[in-house]
Amino acid sequence: KAGVTQTPRYLIKTRGQQVTLSCSPISGHRSVSWYQQTPGQGLQFLFEYFSETQRNKGNFPGRFSGRQFSNSRSEMNVSTLELGDSALYLCASSLEPTTSFEQYFGPGTRLTVT
Amino acid sequence: DAKTTQPTSMDCAEGRAANLPCNHSTISGNEYVYWYRQIHSQGPQYIIHGLKNNETNEMASLIITEDRKSSTLILPHATLRDTAVYYCILARGGQGGKLIFGQGTELSVKP
Repeated sequence: KAGVTQTPRYLIKTRGQQVTLSCSPISGHRSVSWYQQTPGQGLQFLFEYFSETQRNKGNFPGRFSGRQFSNSRSEMNVSTLELGDSALYLCASSLEPTTSFEQYFGPGTRLTVT
Repeated sequence: DAKTTQPTSMDCAEGRAANLPCNHSTISGNEYVYWYRQIHSQGPQYIIHGLKNNETNEMASLIITEDRKSSTLILPHATLRDTAVYYCILARGGQGGKLIFGQGTELSVKP
């Protein structure tokens, strides 16, 4: 069974631009969560989607948004990029809400903002 | 959010058992203890979880004290590939899938 895939793997953007990251969960997994990892703040929860609905949201500004499609694939968008948005963005999927803490992570998208 | 305390770093000799402690003295009755690890440049990997009983799977064992205020993750025969940051996380049902990662323990397995 294929794991969680994230595209692109690496991305370089300029301040002020926007970016869209994509995540394909493991087949059959219906919940997708997003995390940001930086050296200073560590791993931080961004948001979680289940059945196309945002179920949880972390403490990030409104520039960070996401969505989930009917096939459980998910995208996250960051608008008006800032230098501090440079990070590894990780997507994780889980089978269903009752096992939602047993998450399987993708390799991440490394975003660099210049 | 409930807090966990882990040592910043630990060393372990290859082939020996690695015992990673976690303190969670304010744990609530319905909170599970989850362990994840992150090998350098990879996404975190789920290891094991438990509520009050000890648990074992193909990767590790989880020992939770009777008062549930602390736990220990045991890697029975550590290999160099077990070098990673290990995270102990508390999670309560009804919160969806929001994992709160702390700083974790950086385990170095040495030959």
